[in-house]
Amino acid sequence: EIVMTQSPATLSVSPGERATLSCRASQSVSSNLAWYQQKPGQAPRLLIYGASTRATGIPARFSGSGSGTEFTLTISSLQSEDFAVYYCQQYNNLWTFGQGTKVEIK
Amino acid sequence: EVQLVESGGGLVQPGGSLRLSCAASGFTFSSYDMHWVRQATGKGLEWVSAIGTAGDTYYPGSVKGRFTISRENAKNSLYLQMNSLRAGDTAVYYCARGLTEGAFDIWGQGTMVTVSS
Repeated sequence: EIVMTQSPATLSVSPGERATLSCRASQSVSSNLAWYQQKPGQAPRLLIYGASTRATGIPARFSGSGSGTEFTLTISSLQSEDFAVYYCQQYNNLWTFGQGTKVEIK
Repeated sequence: EVQLVESGGGLVQPGGSLRLSCAASGFTFSSYDMHWVRQATGKGLEWVSAIGTAGDTYYPGSVKGRFTISRENAKNSLYLQMNSLRAGDTAVYYCARGLTEGAFDIWGQGTMVTVSS
């Protein structure tokens, strides 16, 4: 099983600032990596797939990068609606999620 | 509107069984891989099962042999038969649509399963 490790567990950021979230795979997943956003009481929403492709309707302030075992989700200028939990997911070998990073208001 | 709606959750005793359903609408259901994902209260996401367009199925070790995913394309429906349920299976269960390249682009609102005596 491929283990996905996200860091940090919690990220405190002020509105308008940049947020950088990390995700590491226990073995290479190539570019088969997605990012999801989840708000309380809601289902997850796909943000990024293929490590760097934004899903339909996702604002340009969200960007993804990386390949192999190291990946990054960057939110260039945090808006109030971006405070949420973010999960990475690999789909190179079955499917596994990271444990999540909570982005909270500083 | 593309939509997934889960149903069938509830309270079940340890060792019991439950069958979840997911009704799909707004897209050609038969053309997509489908998945179940669960989330215990306050915890992260855990992939539970997948079924391909050809009916091929996949499971993680935590549920293999206990859970069975199936689909009925004529009814635009996805199912999850859960047997030998344990307290650790307590979670919200989501169905999700799989993109060709593997990510999950559409999610239902979830159905709660509680395993308790």
